[in-house]
Amino acid sequence: DAGVTQSPTHLIKTRGQQVTLRCSPKSGHDTVSWYQQALGQGPQFIFQYYEEEERQRGNFPDRFSGHQFPNYSSELNVNALLLGDSALYLCASSLGTANEKLFFGSGTQLSVL
Amino acid sequence: DAKTTQPTSMDCAEGRAANLPCNHSTISGNEYVYWYRQIHSQGPQYIIHGLKNNETNEMASLIITEDRKSSTLILPHATLRDTAVYYCIVRALSGSARQLTFGSGTQLTVLP
Repeated sequence: DAGVTQSPTHLIKTRGQQVTLRCSPKSGHDTVSWYQQALGQGPQFIFQYYEEEERQRGNFPDRFSGHQFPNYSSELNVNALLLGDSALYLCASSLGTANEKLFFGSGTQLSVL
Repeated sequence: DAKTTQPTSMDCAEGRAANLPCNHSTISGNEYVYWYRQIHSQGPQYIIHGLKNNETNEMASLIITEDRKSSTLILPHATLRDTAVYYCIVRALSGSARQLTFGSGTQLTVLP
């Protein structure tokens, strides 16, 4: 039973570019949440997708957007990249939006130069 | 705003019990106490959660004080593979506060 898978594992971009990160949830899960983790800090909630709609959003600008597909997989898009967007981006999946137990992927390490 | 307070770091000898404290003095009646851990280069891993009763599973035990203002995560026989950052989180299971809000956690180092 595959867990949460994320791609790519590492990515290097330059300021002003756009990036798309991908996530496949754990089998049987229908809800995907995205987190940003800066070096030395705990993960920060970006947004949650359920039934192909954004259900909750953390304190992140509109440059961060997402999408959920009918097969429950999800994408995180970040436009107009800033140096401060360099971080580990984590995807987590759950069954339903109550997030009783979240299962996390290993993340995508994004470096913005 | 952080809802929990944890020590920045702790050491534990291999094979001994690791007791990780967490203060959550402003916890609300509908908020659960959750513990996750993050091993280096991996995503966080769910450990255990509870509302007011003590809980135990195959990974750990969670002891919540009667007034619910603090809790302790117990790893009964720590191994080197338990070295990780441990996050204590309080959250509701419904409403706008149901998302996980991570603090800085406790870096637990298990020593041989």
